[in-house]
This record gives sequence, C-alpha cells and structure tokens, in this order.
Amino acid sequence: DGGITQSPKYLFRKEGQNVTLSCEQNLNHDAMYWYRQDPGQGLRLIYYSQIVNDFQKGDIAEGYSVSREKKESFPLTVTSAQKNPTAFYLCASSIDPGSETQYFGPGTRLLVL
Amino acid sequence: AQSVTQLDSHVSVSEGTPVLLRCNYSSSYSPSLFWYVQHPNKGLQLLLKYTSAATLVKGINGFEAEFKKSETSFHLTKPSAHMSDAAEYFCVVSVLRGSNYQLIWGAGTKLIIKP
Repeated sequence: DGGITQSPKYLFRKEGQNVTLSCEQNLNHDAMYWYRQDPGQGLRLIYYSQIVNDFQKGDIAEGYSVSREKKESFPLTVTSAQKNPTAFYLCASSIDPGSETQYFGPGTRLLVL
Repeated sequence: AQSVTQLDSHVSVSEGTPVLLRCNYSSSYSPSLFWYVQHPNKGLQLLLKYTSAATLVKGINGFEAEFKKSETSFHLTKPSAHMSDAAEYFCVVSVLRGSNYQLIWGAGTKLIIKP
C-alpha cells in the first residue's frame, strides 16, 4: 500500500530535550511538508521541502529543524528552543511542488512532561 | 492576502438530516479550494477540490460543495447525515508562493451527529 507513515503516534518530551518525529512516504512524491495543529485552529506550516537536500521555512519555523537527505524521508526535530511544543504534528506530501493536492500521514501527538 | 473563514466552529445535526458547513474565502485571484476531513486523532483526508472547472464539485461519501464567486463562498453540503460523518472539517485555499503551492487552512468545523 502506498502512503505516508508517521512515528511514533504519541511522543513525550521532557523540558530541554530535543525530539525527532519521523515521516516516511512511498508515493515517490517530490514535495513534503510539516504542519502543526492546535485545538480550534487550522493547520500551520512549519517547513516544506520541494526536492531532496532542499527545504524552506514555513510560517512558524522557529524552534524546529528538518532534513531531507532521502526523497522518501523528511524528519522534523522539535528543539528545546520551541517554547510551546505540545501539539499534533502532521506530515504531508505532494507529487511535486506545483501540485496543489497534498496527502497526509496519521500524525504524531507530542506532549511535554 | 488569501484567507479562509469557517463560519461555525461546531455544527450539530440529527442523523438523516441535511448537513451545511459554511466557508468564505478571500483571494485576489480565482483560487483553488478544498475541503478536508479529519476523524478523531487521525490524519486528514481530501473530500473534494475545486479548480475552476464546474462550480458544483462532488466529493467522496456523498458530500458536495458549490463555488460561488459573487459570494466568495465554498459551502460543503450533504443531503443526509450519517453517524460516520462525525468529524472535523477544514476548508482550505491554495496559494502560489514562488514556484510552489501552499495551503491556507480555516480553523475547522466540528460536525456532531445526533442519533
């Protein structure tokens, strides 16, 4: 089955820790995205990548970092600089940056202890 | 600047009755518009998409939406609600920034289905 997988489903972080959220896709899509979802709000774009070894900041990139070393993988690191990391994180992909339709993974819920 | 406003944070209907979820958009050009659905603690699924072809767009699970340029609206409807429709629904507009499209999201409408 083709799709996007995110792991883990739930993640707990202690104060001052960095944590990395995994996103893998086997759709052969060029573009990948990370969003943050908070209650009562729409999704907000954290980072996106149009192609391997390239990525761009979205609207709320502060406190986050990404890498895109392989086409199928786009991990997100939530650093200790992110002061309010508790949220639901969604990864998405599209066939190319010029495609408007994005496909989403099941999400990772991050909780700070 | 492009934006999306979902007019209701919650909509409650009885099973078997019609559903109306309202969305207004702001765009300086003719946009592409989407509706996505999110079931509890799940990812997002594309319901339907408007891209300047027919103004009435049919989606999955019996949903449809009508693009009305004069009203800058893209309301989502379904003739008869089912219990499985209980979820959160997001109206989205697509924005071209540089060479790629980005999605601008509404705040969501939670659909509650009463038995």
